Amino acid sequence: QKEVEQNSGPLSVPEGAIASLNCTYSDRVSQSFFWYRQYSGKSPELIMSIYSNGDKEDGRFTAQLNKASQYVSLLIRDSQPSDSATYLCAGSYNFNKFYFGSGTKLNVKP
Amino acid sequence: GAVVSQHPSRVICKSGTSVKIECRSLDFQATTMFWYRQFPKQSLMLMATSNEGSKATYEQGVEKDKFLINHASLTLSTLTVTSAHPEDSSFYICSARDGRADGYTFGSGTRLTVV
Repeated sequence: QKEVEQNSGPLSVPEGAIASLNCTYSDRVSQSFFWYRQYSGKSPELIMSIYSNGDKEDGRFTAQLNKASQYVSLLIRDSQPSDSATYLCAGSYNFNKFYFGSGTKLNVKP
Repeated sequence: GAVVSQHPSRVICKSGTSVKIECRSLDFQATTMFWYRQFPKQSLMLMATSNEGSKATYEQGVEKDKFLINHASLTLSTLTVTSAHPEDSSFYICSARDGRADGYTFGSGTRLTVV
């Protein structure tokens, strides 16, 4: 099993809808989780981090972590065309190594 | 916030030559930096962990003699692609963690094309 797994998509949602991105992880990356956004040809930029079970909200973004089921998700409310990008889930144990999922491509249609 | 500068952003080189990529932490010290490679439409693959003052740790399958990493100071790590071949053409990205900030900060990446 890969350390972090994501559905590659593409995920298409209409503008204004909620986009839901999911990620599962292995025991090797069980401590810290991050969602990054990557536009084509650019390097990733951090959107959110989450360390504890439950939800964490930041503006239109909500990260959810369920350690029992080993999944982490990212919800984007009121999706905008500018949110169209590839979203990378990353996990780490003790910040020693940082593993990325393959990324989910999100298309927000106007 | 934490800033990581990567240079050059693009480089085209001839097959058989070597290319050096620099990664600098501008407003923080980084004892550890990470080098990733990303092929088109694929995810980031960790190549190696660069440790200040000691040898880099390479991921399985990454040739240490081909991808030379030097981390001589707390703000600079370099990746040298030696004897580059067309299959080395890729997007190379470094990252580092500022202990004051969350997560890792990435450099802007280097698009390497070997012709």
